[in-house]
Amino acid sequence: GENVEQHPSTLSVQEGDSAVIKCTYSDSASNYFPWYKQELGKRPQLIIDIRSNVGEKKDQRIAVTLNKTAKHFSLHITETQPEDSAVYFCAASQGNSNTGKLIFGQGTTLQVKP
Amino acid sequence: DAGVIQSPRHEVTEMGQEVTLRCKPISGHNSLFWYRQTMMRGLELLIYFNNNVPIDDSGMPEDRFSAKMPNASFSTLKIQPSEPRDSAVYFCASSQTGTSGYYEQYFGPGTRLTVT
Repeated sequence: GENVEQHPSTLSVQEGDSAVIKCTYSDSASNYFPWYKQELGKRPQLIIDIRSNVGEKKDQRIAVTLNKTAKHFSLHITETQPEDSAVYFCAASQGNSNTGKLIFGQGTTLQVKP
Repeated sequence: DAGVIQSPRHEVTEMGQEVTLRCKPISGHNSLFWYRQTMMRGLELLIYFNNNVPIDDSGMPEDRFSAKMPNASFSTLKIQPSEPRDSAVYFCASSQTGTSGYYEQYFGPGTRLTVT
């Protein structure tokens, strides 16, 4: 079955710097890759996603890239702000299943120091 | 839409007691997922339903856990008997699935369970 590995587990950056979180997946049939942000004590919320027919997607300060050949995708946050501090989860769809199952990475705790 | 609704938000119970967690998915969504989150094990998928039918319960830790979805707007996760190691935050999520393969999951606020 699908396996998703996420690195690093913790990341500390200075405000204004960039942050990059990387994930690899195992199932070449996976076609949907969302990223969730979870603030302390809150629920995970989708911040950006990418589909397998796209190599890069941007939304203001966040961007996601996908390399299908290497089976890895990354989240890039530019000009980080203290409110970006949270746990970030990557996920991959279980193949091209139409039941919506996602396989989540282990999470990255991002700390942005003011 | 009110989003995914979970109740209770907090539950404190004694070891051996039965615990029932409830979830109301977003109207029109046809897939429902139960997750457990702990510091040690992260976000674990316990079971998920598609069109009210359990599809995969391989994540259910043991027979003490059971889940039902009697209709499209309600699901329960039951633990009987509860143990201290069941203490965690339990999330319910729903999505609207079809044939595209691209489905955002919407999470509920979670139920924080403490078993003493």
